Amino acid sequence: EDQVTQSPEALRLQEGESSSLNCSYTVSGLRGLFWYRQDPGKGPEFLFTLYSAGEEKEKERLKATLTKKESFLHITAPKPEDSATYLCAVQRDQTGANNLFFGTGTRLTVIP
Amino acid sequence: ETGVTQSPTHLIKTRGQQVTLRCSSQSGHNTVSWYQQALGQGPQFIFQYYREEENGRGNFPPRFSGLQFPNYSSELNVNALELDDSALYLCASSPRATNEKLFFGSGTQLSVL
Repeated sequence: EDQVTQSPEALRLQEGESSSLNCSYTVSGLRGLFWYRQDPGKGPEFLFTLYSAGEEKEKERLKATLTKKESFLHITAPKPEDSATYLCAVQRDQTGANNLFFGTGTRLTVIP
Repeated sequence: ETGVTQSPTHLIKTRGQQVTLRCSSQSGHNTVSWYQQALGQGPQFIFQYYREEENGRGNFPPRFSGLQFPNYSSELNVNALELDDSALYLCASSPRATNEKLFFGSGTQLSVL
C-alpha cells in the first residue's frame, strides 16, 4: 500500500534559521514526487516535481532533493512569508490520471 | 490568464441532502481533478475528467459523481451527504491528462450537520 509520511508535523523557525522538511515514501513504481505549498484558506500551490533519485531542484530559498526512499525540502534563511503548510505527494507509474497521493504536510511557522 | 475558480466558497448542508460544487478550469486546460481535504489532512484524489470523460477515480463511493462540460468546466455532485463528507473540496486543472503540475482553486468548504 502506498504511504507518504511527512515530518515534523509542525516546525517553528526564527527568521534566517535554515532547516529541512522530510518526506518518506513507499510506493510501487514511482512516477514522480511533488512538493506543494498551501496557505490557510487556499489551495495547494505547485513548487517542484522530482522524477529520479539524485535529482535536485531549487527555487529562491527552497531546494528539493530525492533519494529512493525519501525527499527533503531544504529551506535556507527563511522569511516570515515562507510560513505555510508544505505538502509532499507521489504519483505511481500505473495510473494514467493525475492521481497524486499526498502526505499530511508540515506546518511551518517563521518568526520575525 | 484567469486561474481556477470554485463556487461556492462555503456551504452548509444537512445529512442526507445532495450538493453540487462547481469549478472553472484555467484557460487552456482540458483536464480537471477533484480532491477532498479533511481538516489536518492532505488532499485525497476523488476523480479526474479529461475531455468530458472520467479517466481516473480514487477510493470514493458512487454517490460522489462528476461532470465535465465542453468548455472544460466541471461539477462535483455528492448524494446522501454524511457527516464525514465535511471537508474542503479542491478542484485542480492541468493542460494535459498526464501533466502532473496541477493548478488548484481555493476550494469549497462543505459542512454537513
